[in-house]
Amino acid sequence: QLQLQESGPGLVKPSETLSLICSVSGASIISTGSYWGWVRQPPGKGLEWVGSVYYNGNNHYSPSLISRATISLDTSKNQFSLRLTSVTAADTAVYYCARLEGCTGINCYWGFDSWGQGSLVTVSS
Amino acid sequence: DAVMTQSPLSLPVTLGQPASISCRSSQSLVYTDGNTYLNWFQQRPGQSPRRLIYKVSNRDSGVPDRFTGSGSGTDFTLEISRVEAEDIAVYYCMQGTHWPLTFGGGTKLEIK
Repeated sequence: QLQLQESGPGLVKPSETLSLICSVSGASIISTGSYWGWVRQPPGKGLEWVGSVYYNGNNHYSPSLISRATISLDTSKNQFSLRLTSVTAADTAVYYCARLEGCTGINCYWGFDSWGQGSLVTVSS
Repeated sequence: DAVMTQSPLSLPVTLGQPASISCRSSQSLVYTDGNTYLNWFQQRPGQSPRRLIYKVSNRDSGVPDRFTGSGSGTDFTLEISRVEAEDIAVYYCMQGTHWPLTFGGGTKLEIK
């Protein structure tokens, strides 16, 4: 059973870098067809896709965040991370790590089938 | 970008009655492989989102059959045949056909 768990600081100062880690169990992050990434949700608002990456380097990011966001895979630890630079109060949100099901053979899905519990990150001095 | 527009924003319902949520895309969600990658998610208060439906009408494992997804092209619908108390949540559509991936703004299902 696939499980994802976020970890990282809950408070980040403006202009600094937000860093989160997602630990994955129950599947390998280099498994075929699995993209790994992040979705965020500001308090009381809707879901916003941040980015999703594949083990072969096929990476995709939200155009509004591409200049500040980096998602990296650590295959030795079976985890992946998010770095978001130059944060402002607008980056305050619950950050979910999630698996995006791509294609396995001829079967494609292109939806998030597994989510972490979420990690609230507040940007404040 | 494919802009996803959901309606209504809020949906008051009576338990045991049906409910219907609309999701409209600014562009066709039919991919070159012929599939339509439209998903529906349920987010209960204080919980992570949970996928209910993928590729327009396929229910995920464990999803009750009172949830039905339908539609094509740019117009999609999530229907609940008889609302139960556990269905009170915010529902989101999300398209996986085009990069960047995009979500609808959400529909809050509430008890009337």
